Amino acid sequence: AQSVTQPDIHITVSEGASLELRCNYSYGATPYLFWYVQSPGQGLQLLLKYFSGDTLVQGIKGFEAEFKRSQSSFNLRKPSVHWSDAAEYFCAVGSTGGGNKLTFGTGTQLKVEL
Amino acid sequence: NAGVTQTPKFRILKIGQSMTLQCTQDMNHNYMYWYRQDPGMGLKLIYYSVGAGITDKGEVPNGYNVSRSTTEDFPLRLELAAPSQTSVYFCASSLRTGGQYGYTFGSGTRLTVV
Repeated sequence: AQSVTQPDIHITVSEGASLELRCNYSYGATPYLFWYVQSPGQGLQLLLKYFSGDTLVQGIKGFEAEFKRSQSSFNLRKPSVHWSDAAEYFCAVGSTGGGNKLTFGTGTQLKVEL
Repeated sequence: NAGVTQTPKFRILKIGQSMTLQCTQDMNHNYMYWYRQDPGMGLKLIYYSVGAGITDKGEVPNGYNVSRSTTEDFPLRLELAAPSQTSVYFCASSLRTGGQYGYTFGSGTRLTVV
C-alpha cells in the first residue's frame, strides 16, 4: 500500500530565509506526487505536482520540489519565505488504480517569524 | 465557476442525531471524494465515487454513507452521530483520475458532535 511520511510536524523559519519541507513516499511503481497548502480555515490548494520527466518541478507562489527516486523523496523548497507562507503543507502520493485516489501525509505546520 | 461547494460550513450535532453534508461541483468532474481531517492525522479517505451511480469505501467508512445520483452531487450521510466523528470534512473532485491529476477541494465542513 502506498504511504507518505512527513517527518517534521512543525517548522519555524524567519521571513526571508530559505525553506525545505521533507516528504518521503512508499509506492511500488513510478509515483504521482503532489504538494498542497492549507491556510487556516481553508481548503487545500495545489502547489505543484510531479508525473514524470524533469525531476525539478516548479509550482505556484515561488515553490519548487525535487523528485529523488533513489531516496524516495519529494522535498518542497522555497528560496525566500514570506510571512504569508505560514500555513500547513501536505505531501500526497497518487495511485492509478483502486479509485485513483491520493494518500496524504500528516502535514507540516509552517510558522514564519518576522 | 464555483468549483467545489460544501454546505454547511459549521455544524454542532448531538450524539445520535443524523445529518447530511452536501457537496456540489460544477466542473463536470467524474471523480469525487470525501476526506476527514483530524489534527496530526492528515486526511483520511472516507468514500469515493468514479461516476454517477458508483461509490466505494475508503480507509475509514464506518458510520458514514454516500450516494451519487448525479455527476454534480456527492452527499455524505451520518446516521448516528458519535463524538469520534468530530472532525473537519473535505469534499474533493477530479476530472480524470485523481491519483494522476490531483484534486480540487471544497472549503470544508467543521462538525462537532457533543
